[in-house]
Amino acid sequence: KNQVEQSPQSLIILEGKNCTLQCNYTVSPFSNLRWYKQDTGRGPVSLTIMTFSENTKSNGRYTATLDADTKQSSLHITASQLSDSASYICVVTLPNDYKLSFGAGTTVTVRA
Amino acid sequence: GAVVSQHPSWVICKSGTSVKIECRSLDFQATTMFWYRQFPKQSLMLMATSNEGSKATYEQGVEKDKFLINHASLTLSTLTVTSAHPEDSSFYICSAFLGGGDQPQHFGDGTRLSIL
Repeated sequence: KNQVEQSPQSLIILEGKNCTLQCNYTVSPFSNLRWYKQDTGRGPVSLTIMTFSENTKSNGRYTATLDADTKQSSLHITASQLSDSASYICVVTLPNDYKLSFGAGTTVTVRA
Repeated sequence: GAVVSQHPSWVICKSGTSVKIECRSLDFQATTMFWYRQFPKQSLMLMATSNEGSKATYEQGVEKDKFLINHASLTLSTLTVTSAHPEDSSFYICSAFLGGGDQPQHFGDGTRLSIL
């Protein structure tokens, strides 16, 4: 069973609207939790990073939250733009290790 | 920010040929580089971890004689898919790691490999 589960698998939103992506993980504790954005045919790019003790981190219109008690993280996209269309991947770094546990990603499609 | 260059970005070749993919960290020295494989709509799957000057560490189920990894310098790692077959067709992504708990892995833009 994957240690990082993401939902929904995909979603479609209209330009200008907000959306929230979910990530449930079983790795605990962990070194850090990141959200990556992966455009089609490109490599992932880091959006946010949170350590075990942090609750929220923002990067422009992207805001990530972390609830260590429920082992959940979310990524909120505000005022979506067409360029936000991509796959968003939740990634957990194992403690004392550099290896990453990847979620399968949520594919976001923003339509005009 | 840190840049990782991967080359080629797309390659199509006949079954049985060998294909080499390069991964370079352009503006930093990477203590460790990683090679991933990604099938459509799936997670990145770690294939191997490569440290400069030493043998790569392969994940379970990855054939080391099939996927040859060379990490000759702190800025260059190569992955050679030997005697490639159609089932090797995939998206291969490398990443470079500077070191340190909060440092991210910096990913290349991937190589789309299609074996005919």
